Amino acid sequence: EIVLTQSPGTLSLSPGERATLSCRASQSFSSSLLAWYQQKPGQAPRLLIYGASTRATGIPDRFSGSGSGTDFTLTISRLEPEDFAVYYCQQYGNSMYTFGQGTKLEIK
Amino acid sequence: QLQLQESGPGLVKPSETLSLTCTVSGGSISSSSYYYWGWIRQSPGKGLEWIGSIYYSGTTHYNPSLKSRVIISVDTSRDQCSLRLSSVTATDTAVYYCARHSALGNPLRDWGQGTLVTVSS
Repeated sequence: EIVLTQSPGTLSLSPGERATLSCRASQSFSSSLLAWYQQKPGQAPRLLIYGASTRATGIPDRFSGSGSGTDFTLTISRLEPEDFAVYYCQQYGNSMYTFGQGTKLEIK
Repeated sequence: QLQLQESGPGLVKPSETLSLTCTVSGGSISSSSYYYWGWIRQSPGKGLEWIGSIYYSGTTHYNPSLKSRVIISVDTSRDQCSLRLSSVTATDTAVYYCARHSALGNPLRDWGQGTLVTVSS
């Protein structure tokens, strides 16, 4: 099983600032199998990024993803009030999907 | 627009079997060829955990850690996907989601709203 470790656990920023979220894997895998999700309280996760860097339909361009191998990053260029949520990375490997434990992005 | 809706008992006793159904609307399982229908759960202790997925034709893929207790099935005539998890314990308490994805490895693109299942006597 590939373990995904996200950091930081909590990120406190203000609207307008830039957010950088990290996802590190216990072993290397194809970036085509890495996705990011946003989850707000009481809602299901929403797909933001797939293939490490491709935005899903309807996702604003302030969201971007990058990385390869074992290190991946989700960047939100300028935070909007609606961006404060929990973010999860997810990968597929060894015949199963696994998720990181999440990064909570909170208003400073 | 495709919608997925989970349903089932919100309370299950320990050692019993949890049974949930995901009903698809705004589309159909039978016309959604090449799609998988998956189940994911979320608990405070273990975060998001993939339980398994089923291809529209019935081929299943399960999380190895749950494989011995899980059965996922699909009923194309009713546009439903079902989850059965046997011998439940308190650690199976979670919000259970169904989701659609195209091909194993592809992202979980469409999600239901989730349903909370509590395991307690």
